Amino acid sequence: QVQLVESGGGLVKPGGSLRLSCAASGFTFDHYYMGWVRQAPGKGLEYVSYIGSSSGFTNYADSVQGRFTISRDNAKNSLYLQMNSLRPDDTAIYYCARGRAYTNSSVHNWFDPWGQGTLVTVS
Amino acid sequence: DIPMTQSPSSVSASIGDRVTITCRASQGIASWLAWYQQKPGKAPKLLIYGASNLQSGVPSRFSGSGSGTDFTLSISSLQAEDVGTYHCQQSDIFPLTFGGGTKVEIK
Repeated sequence: QVQLVESGGGLVKPGGSLRLSCAASGFTFDHYYMGWVRQAPGKGLEYVSYIGSSSGFTNYADSVQGRFTISRDNAKNSLYLQMNSLRPDDTAIYYCARGRAYTNSSVHNWFDPWGQGTLVTVS
Repeated sequence: DIPMTQSPSSVSASIGDRVTITCRASQGIASWLAWYQQKPGKAPKLLIYGASNLQSGVPSRFSGSGSGTDFTLSISSLQAEDVGTYHCQQSDIFPLTFGGGTKVEIK
């Protein structure tokens, strides 16, 4: 079955860095766009970043642009999020999620499925 | 950016009631809207995509409608297992954006 497992979260001081990983299995990883979505404690979902199936496309929320970098290694079926210059308001659960298949329309950018999330605390 | 506004922010209803949640986009997004269900302590789950298409395995009591700027998620007969928070998301324009969420509780 399709599975996404995030890792790499933890406690970091303001200004610090962290790298999140997402291990994918159960589907042809390099056929799909992938994304990161976060959820601050008690808050709603916030889009963070999205990457194309061959890394030719990347997009970021304004709140993380210039500080976060999304990447993927299709040979390892893995997605990454390098987070630099972390701030207290980056504190959240970070979810990895599968986006659209590369053969689908460019507007089919919903997320299914999602990983269980990894908690990042900046304090 | 396309801000998404959900209402109400919370709703309390009885088992068997019909529940309706609204999501409004700040500009037209055709039918490029998804709905997610998030049960307490769990990751979100895709319910509806393309505004009205039920994701495989989702009970038929869930339905979505709308296009342009105004969208609706309906639960025809609320069940205990439907408790959670529901989120809308536009998939048309980057950056992708989510609504603020609607918490559904049992009265």
